[in-house]
Amino acid sequence: DIQMTQSPPSLSASVGDRVTITCRASQTISTFLNWYQQKPGKAPNLLIYTASNLQSGVPSRFSGSGSGTDFTLTISSLQPEDFGSYYCQQSFSTPFAFGPGTKVDIK
Amino acid sequence: QLQLQESGPGLVKPSETLSLTCTVSGGSISGSNYYWGWIRQPPGKGLEWIGSMYFSGSGSYHPSLKSRVTISVDTPKNQFSLNLSSVTAADTAVYYCARRPRGDWYFDLWGHGTLVTVSS
Repeated sequence: DIQMTQSPPSLSASVGDRVTITCRASQTISTFLNWYQQKPGKAPNLLIYTASNLQSGVPSRFSGSGSGTDFTLTISSLQPEDFGSYYCQQSFSTPFAFGPGTKVDIK
Repeated sequence: QLQLQESGPGLVKPSETLSLTCTVSGGSISGSNYYWGWIRQPPGKGLEWIGSMYFSGSGSYHPSLKSRVTISVDTPKNQFSLNLSSVTAADTAVYYCARRPRGDWYFDLWGHGTLVTVSS
């Protein structure tokens, strides 16, 4: 099975900051990598699919990059509503594993 | 606008079967280019994919759960369901129903989730 790791586990940043979250796969997954945002008590929400494609309705301050084993989610200018946990998910092969998550707090 | 809503018991006894239903509203579950499935999240923990099924009955399950899981689609009722047998406390989680596009493996629409606790 492909294992996913994320760093950092948590971060605290100020409004307007540029925030970067990293996801790493245990083996190459091409660009089959997706990102979700989850707010407390809510279902996850798809942000980015296949590494760099912005889901409809998601603000353009979110972007994704990477291929192979290393991927990045970037929030270009952090907004107050961006708090929550962010998860990556590989869609290269079953079982389709999620990363452990990165919790983002607003300073 | 398509919406998903989970329903089912919030408490299940150990060794029994967990049964949940996801009702699809605002669109048809059949003849669409989507798979329908389930993902769970133990309290305070990460997400685990359980399985996904097409309306025709083709699909796949997480290997670690395959022996205990059945996902079925009821097209007349526009619903799909999850049955997880022989549950233990480790199956306590929020269960989400979710949709994925056919040919892709990301989940673009989710239900609100329902907490199922396994306890005697």
